[in-house]
Amino acid sequence: EADIYQTPRYLVIGTGKKITLECSQTMGHDKMYWYQQDPGMELHLIHYSYGVNSTEKGDLSSESTVSRIRTEHFPLTLESARPSHTSQYLCASRLAGSGEQFFGPGTRLTVL
Amino acid sequence: EDQVTQSPEALRLQEGESSSLNCSYTVSGLRGLFWYRQDPGKGPEFLFTLYSAGEEKEKERLKATLTKKESFLHITAPKPEDSATYLCAVQALQGGSEKLVFGKGTKLTVNP
Repeated sequence: EADIYQTPRYLVIGTGKKITLECSQTMGHDKMYWYQQDPGMELHLIHYSYGVNSTEKGDLSSESTVSRIRTEHFPLTLESARPSHTSQYLCASRLAGSGEQFFGPGTRLTVL
Repeated sequence: EDQVTQSPEALRLQEGESSSLNCSYTVSGLRGLFWYRQDPGKGPEFLFTLYSAGEEKEKERLKATLTKKESFLHITAPKPEDSATYLCAVQALQGGSEKLVFGKGTKLTVNP
């Protein structure tokens, strides 16, 4: 069973607020990912990391930023939330050399 | 451009009624094809990885198969607890590619 955690699970905030979505994994995986998923739609990669101090942007343009200071921790930050940021955010990780990614439970963000 | 198309979008079965879900893909060299199960409000749960045409994997009532252009997820004698959205994703065989391209999923409902 994958040990990957996301907090908060649900978040409702007002426009203009700064927020950080947390993601932690205890499997020692070096590769971590953030996806955005709208209802009935595909997952879209917004950020990924090969390891500590490595971050890259994914395919979907995003106004969020990420950091990777520790192997187990990959937080995502929105400096100024807008209603267009309303979505489900999914964190995933995998071990280098294996293809399958393991996902956290997700954070459902609503920006009013 | 790498693409994944899943069909049907939704499928309703009676308990015990076997069926198959389809995942058609276009990718510039396949590194791996992945099946996930996603329950409402949760992150995707990893099911199978397939690497080459002709490969098959089984888990309980589920069996995944792969050809050069598509994959099938066969569900034998399904139960109501098999109700979920099933996602297919591919990883391209491009040097250093980190991207999984996901389909929109098939929403399966199994009625008792």
